[in-house]
Amino acid sequence: EAQVTQNPRYLITVTGKKLTVTCSQNMNHEYMSWYRQDPGLGLRQIYYSMNVEVTDKGDVPEGYKVSRKEKRNFPLILESPSPNQTSLYFCASSLSGGGILTSYEQYFGPGTRLTVT
Amino acid sequence: RKEVEQDPGPFNVPEGATVAFNCTYSNSASQSFFWYRQDCRKEPKLLMSVYSSGNEDGRFTAQLNRASQYISLLIRDSKLSDSATYLCAVSFSGGYNKLIFGAGTRLAVHP
Repeated sequence: EAQVTQNPRYLITVTGKKLTVTCSQNMNHEYMSWYRQDPGLGLRQIYYSMNVEVTDKGDVPEGYKVSRKEKRNFPLILESPSPNQTSLYFCASSLSGGGILTSYEQYFGPGTRLTVT
Repeated sequence: RKEVEQDPGPFNVPEGATVAFNCTYSNSASQSFFWYRQDCRKEPKLLMSVYSSGNEDGRFTAQLNRASQYISLLIRDSKLSDSATYLCAVSFSGGYNKLIFGAGTRLAVHP
């Protein structure tokens, strides 16, 4: 089954304790992205990756890191989580990064609900 | 001003009603437009893409108005199962697949 998986689905942690949220897709997609979703603010892009070893900042990258060593995986790393990073996180992938006139459907993972106390 | 704006709702409608959502965007160079559906605490899923000529999929119709910079979603004969949050997404020109999402409009269909 074509899908995007995320782990863990739920996480409660304390300020400053490093954590990693994994994301994996089995559709051979080139493009992957991380979003956070907060009430009233919608989905905001944290980081994205056009392909292996190519990553770039989205709109809210502060406090996050990513890596793309393999096509299928795109982990999100919080080196020192803070309470303002409490949010619902989604990983997404699409066939490619598209172009000026092309945009492709993004497939989302099930989400990771993170609470930082 | 937000780049993509939606009325947060909620829209409370009875079964069988017709309901319409609008979504405005600020960047006139936007190229691609989508409606996603998000059930409570679940991931967004693509409902439909929005084309310049408008498009229809069963009870759902999407329209694009470039002059006024908005897209719309019309749902006819609402079902209880249509209850969800509807997110519009706009892709700006200039390259990669960056989608800007609206905050969503919540729809509640009641018996």
